[in-house]
Amino acid sequence: AQSVAQPEDQVNVAEGNPLTVKCTYSVSGNPYLFWYVQYPNRGLQFLLKYITGDNLVKGSYGFEAEFNKSQTSFHLKKPSALVSDSALYFCAVRAFNAGNNRKLIWGLGTSLAVNP
Amino acid sequence: ETGVTQTPRHLVMGMTNKKSLKCEQHLGHNAMYWYKQSAKKPLELMFVYSLEERVENNSVPSRFSPECPNSSHLFLHLHTLQPEDSALYLCASSQAGTSGSSTDTQYFGPGTRLTVL
Repeated sequence: AQSVAQPEDQVNVAEGNPLTVKCTYSVSGNPYLFWYVQYPNRGLQFLLKYITGDNLVKGSYGFEAEFNKSQTSFHLKKPSALVSDSALYFCAVRAFNAGNNRKLIWGLGTSLAVNP
Repeated sequence: ETGVTQTPRHLVMGMTNKKSLKCEQHLGHNAMYWYKQSAKKPLELMFVYSLEERVENNSVPSRFSPECPNSSHLFLHLHTLQPEDSALYLCASSQAGTSGSSTDTQYFGPGTRLTVL
C-alpha cells in the first residue's frame, strides 16, 4: 500500500538555525513528491516538488528538499529558519501509473515552531 | 491564495440545514478537487473533476453532493450533515496534461471552516 510518514508531530528550532522536516514514503513505481505549507486558518500552499532529475529540489521561501531513493525519503530543509516559517508542513506522494490518477497520498503534517 | 477562492470562509449550520460551499479558480486549470481536513487525520480527497466530469468519488456519503458547472467553478452542496462532518473543506485546482499527467501540482484555496451543530 502507498503511504507517507512524517515521523515528527512537532519540530522546534531556534531562529537562524537550520531546520529539517522529515518525510518518508512507500510507493510502487517512481514517486512524485510534494511539500506544502499551511499557515493558521489558511489553505495549503505549494512549496516544491520532485519529479525527476537532480535530487536536490529548490522551492519557495528558501526551502529545499532532498530526494533519497535508497532511503525512500524526501526531507524538507532550510539553512536558516525564520519565525515566520512557523506553520504546518505536509508531505505528499503520487506514484506514476497509467491512467488518469491524480490522487495524492498525504502525511499527517509536522508542526514547525521557530523560536526567536 | 487569490488563484483559488472559496466562500464562505466560515459556516455554522444545523443538521437539518441545506447549504453550499463555493470554489472558484482563476488559474485556467482543467481539474478541481474537494478535500476534507480534520485534526489528526490525513487530508481526505472527496471528489475530483476533470474537464467538468467527475472522475473520482472516494466513498463520500450522499449528504455531500458536488457540482462542477464549468472548469472555473466547483460547488459542494450540503444537506442533513452530522456533527462529525465539522472540518475544514479545501478546494484545489490543477492543470493536467492531455494524457492525465500525474505531475500536475495542486493549488489550494483558503478553505471553508464548517461547524455542524
